[in-house]
Amino acid sequence: DAKTTQPPSMDCAEGRAANLPCNHSTISGNEYVYWYRQIHSQGPQYIIHGLKNNETNEMASLIITEDRKSSTLILPHATLRDTAVYYCIVRVQVTGTASKLTFGTGTRLQVTL
Amino acid sequence: SAVISQKPSRDICQRGTSLTIQCQVDSQVTMMFWYRQQPGQSLTLIATANQGSEATYESGFVIDKFPISRPNLTFSTLTVSNMSPEDSSIYLCSVRGGTYNEQFFGPGTRLTVL
Repeated sequence: DAKTTQPPSMDCAEGRAANLPCNHSTISGNEYVYWYRQIHSQGPQYIIHGLKNNETNEMASLIITEDRKSSTLILPHATLRDTAVYYCIVRVQVTGTASKLTFGTGTRLQVTL
Repeated sequence: SAVISQKPSRDICQRGTSLTIQCQVDSQVTMMFWYRQQPGQSLTLIATANQGSEATYESGFVIDKFPISRPNLTFSTLTVSNMSPEDSSIYLCSVRGGTYNEQFFGPGTRLTVL
């Protein structure tokens, strides 16, 4: 699986958009970008994923650059409950152990009043 | 989505003893995963457990230290054997499923070894 690079920490004011960047310059053509987050003392939670098109769901938006070497997770209106560690993971979307999730160090997002 | 429960939620154990962690899923799943998260660190995959076959361990993890059982499609156990303080971690069970083949995680078992 391709390696990802994320800033170790970010701050965001409540109500503002939180934009979390991720670099994955060695991504392969069949690898997807997944985002998970881990709120303190809980198991990680799936947020969103995409291949090359921008994606949006009820939690967030995912913007992937045209060359697919980087992406940005956007939380449009951050709340205090969005304070968590956010993990950007790249992997192929197939069944079996070949598509195991490999977690990096993530970005610790702190949402403040 | 899958709902995963783990027992115990936390435990404090003595050096040299063993602890078995249980993972129960509310639906049948083929693959279950066990992760470890050491204090202040990210998650590390320990092994993948398929029902009816031996677990597949990642580099640095061995069956003698972390034996895994997978008796049916909704249950698995991970045993942490002959524990030392370095085994103090959160142990998480995970399964794959859902519309996008995403992974779901249990709440974790917080283990402290004295």
